[in-house]
Amino acid sequence: NAGVMQNPRHLVRRRGQEARLRCSPMKGHSHVYWYRQLPEEGLKFMVYLQKENIIDESGMPKERFSAEFPKEGPSILRIQQVVRGDSAAYFCASSPALQGSDTQYFGPGTRLTVL
Amino acid sequence: QKEVEQNSGPLSVPEGAIASLNCTYSDRGSQSFFWYRQYSGKSPELIMFIYSNGDKEDGRFTAQLNKASQYVSLLIRDSQPSDSATYLCAVNRGFKTIFGAGTRLFVKA
Repeated sequence: NAGVMQNPRHLVRRRGQEARLRCSPMKGHSHVYWYRQLPEEGLKFMVYLQKENIIDESGMPKERFSAEFPKEGPSILRIQQVVRGDSAAYFCASSPALQGSDTQYFGPGTRLTVL
Repeated sequence: QKEVEQNSGPLSVPEGAIASLNCTYSDRGSQSFFWYRQYSGKSPELIMFIYSNGDKEDGRFTAQLNKASQYVSLLIRDSQPSDSATYLCAVNRGFKTIFGAGTRLFVKA
């Protein structure tokens, strides 16, 4: 009965490289959310996806960031040409049903460090 | 005005006391309210959710919701050192869940 899985747990990239973060939701969950957390700050919503659909990406920067949740496989958050300001913890959460009526369960996070 | 506001703390209480954590929100249309606990370096863990005005109790935790005042609180009875963490208030708005910045709680043994 695995929970939300994220990998890698820690990721180090140099400026200009690409970062690819993966999230596998809990079994039976078809809704995935990505959040970013800077040190000593709260969670900032980035994007909400269902299988093969982006439902709300209003929290995601317009450039360099993209997310997908394919029919098969994990959800991917991709950050192209990373900059030092991208260094943060990125959390994925999943829920079984429509946002607002169900609670979200969080994965362990990926801590991205940009050198 | 932030959408979800919490006192950043730290809130320090002695072991065995009641810890009271407060949260206000700006969107009157919000319907679902959550409290998460986050230990340093870890991911948020759901403690409670509440949808209706009034109190909801679960073990040592009580969530209180007052929609007229746009106010949510979390009471922790018989506080333990293991309760020391950051407590995040979260409020749904459409497809999003908006989190407060969190209140740091320190329970002194």
